[in-house]
Amino acid sequence: NAGVTQTPKFQVLKTGQSMTLQCAQDMNHNSMYWYRQDPGMGLRLIYYSASEGTTDKGEVPNGYNVSRLNKREFSLRLESAAPSQTSVYFCASSEVRTQYFGPGTRLTVL
Amino acid sequence: SQELEQSPQSLIVQEGKNLTINCTSSKTLYGLYWYKQKYGEGLIFLMMLQKGGEEKSHEKITAKLDEKKQQSSLHITASQPSHAGIYLCGASTTSGTYKYIFGTGTRLKVLA
Repeated sequence: NAGVTQTPKFQVLKTGQSMTLQCAQDMNHNSMYWYRQDPGMGLRLIYYSASEGTTDKGEVPNGYNVSRLNKREFSLRLESAAPSQTSVYFCASSEVRTQYFGPGTRLTVL
Repeated sequence: SQELEQSPQSLIVQEGKNLTINCTSSKTLYGLYWYKQKYGEGLIFLMMLQKGGEEKSHEKITAKLDEKKQQSSLHITASQPSHAGIYLCGASTTSGTYKYIFGTGTRLKVLA
């Protein structure tokens, strides 16, 4: 009963480095989402994928790219990390309305 | 300004006390969701409200939706230390999409 899984749990990057955050869900959901959570800002949507093969920008897409690899997996890529991207990143999935979240990735960019 | 305002931002109560957290939207609500987040962890879905006047309960937690006021309240009865955490409301404010906006959360501490 894994639900939504995310890797890695923690990551430290230097400015300019790249990395990919992985997300997978085993609930056969069509829609998947990437959020970032910052103090005082709440959760903000970065990108979402309504179904396999489609992706759309959310509220804060700059500096990120996504890939919906298949129905299960949705990855988030930082091409050139910046200190402003230090945050906790959450992946979520949904079938109809209710979104289910992964445990998060805590990213620090030095 | 936040489209989804939560109040209070933080709350400290004695074990056994009742408490209420509010979530108010500046836009029409097409679904209101409550989540709980333990410190440093992911979000756990509590309940979803869709219709005005709807009320749902999960153990000692009750949530209501006032569609006219574009507001939801979360009420915890006889709070316990296990209720501690951050409570977030999320809402769909666009019909026909699954995109949410979230409030900034209410941090709850329950003193034993």
